Amino acid sequence: SQTIHQWPATLVQPVGSPLSLECTVEGTSNPNLYWYRQAAGRGLQLLFYSVGIGQISSEVPQNLSASRPQDRQFILSSKKLLLSDSGFYLCACNDRGSYEQYFGPGTRLTVT
Amino acid sequence: SQQGEEDPQALSIQEGENATMNCSYKTSINNLQWYRQNSGRGLVHLILIRSNEREKHSGRLRVTLDTSKKSSSLLITASRAADTASYFCATDDSSSGSARQLTFGSGTQLTVLP
Repeated sequence: SQTIHQWPATLVQPVGSPLSLECTVEGTSNPNLYWYRQAAGRGLQLLFYSVGIGQISSEVPQNLSASRPQDRQFILSSKKLLLSDSGFYLCACNDRGSYEQYFGPGTRLTVT
Repeated sequence: SQQGEEDPQALSIQEGENATMNCSYKTSINNLQWYRQNSGRGLVHLILIRSNEREKHSGRLRVTLDTSKKSSSLLITASRAADTASYFCATDDSSSGSARQLTFGSGTQLTVLP
């Protein structure tokens, strides 16, 4: 089954600083990849998804961006962080033809 | 926007009791899934029920789906302290393509007391 790695596990960044969160997947090829954000005590909000290298779809307009430079690598970035970007960021994947998603351990981002 | 809304928001029970969580949603769906999240961790898929199914079982889990009422319930029987976690329903209403765009509810925090 798939294994998803995310790093860093926690991050504290000042407002206006850049951001780069990385997600890598093992145990599958050509997966669909997803970035979610979870606010404290809330459900998940889908931010981006990708069906292939270089193919990114955005669900929510914001100052974040995503890239997929390799088949099993998904990166979430920002040029200038806002306080509202704080949250728990989760990477997920699923195989084509499968409905269930596998999640990584998450990155807790605090913007100060 | 949140499609699935769980009820109750928090539930506290004794070990051995059954726990029931409900989920309501707004639009037509392909399937509905339940996930579990331990504090500060990623989500783990528990069970999926398709729109043409009414009930599904997996171990101590039982899920029902009523598409006419746009609601689902998750029953955990004979609960254990290790079941303590947040439980989320997620609806899949993806229109086409291989990417599955799930919409998550706000979750039920279950506490099982030993």
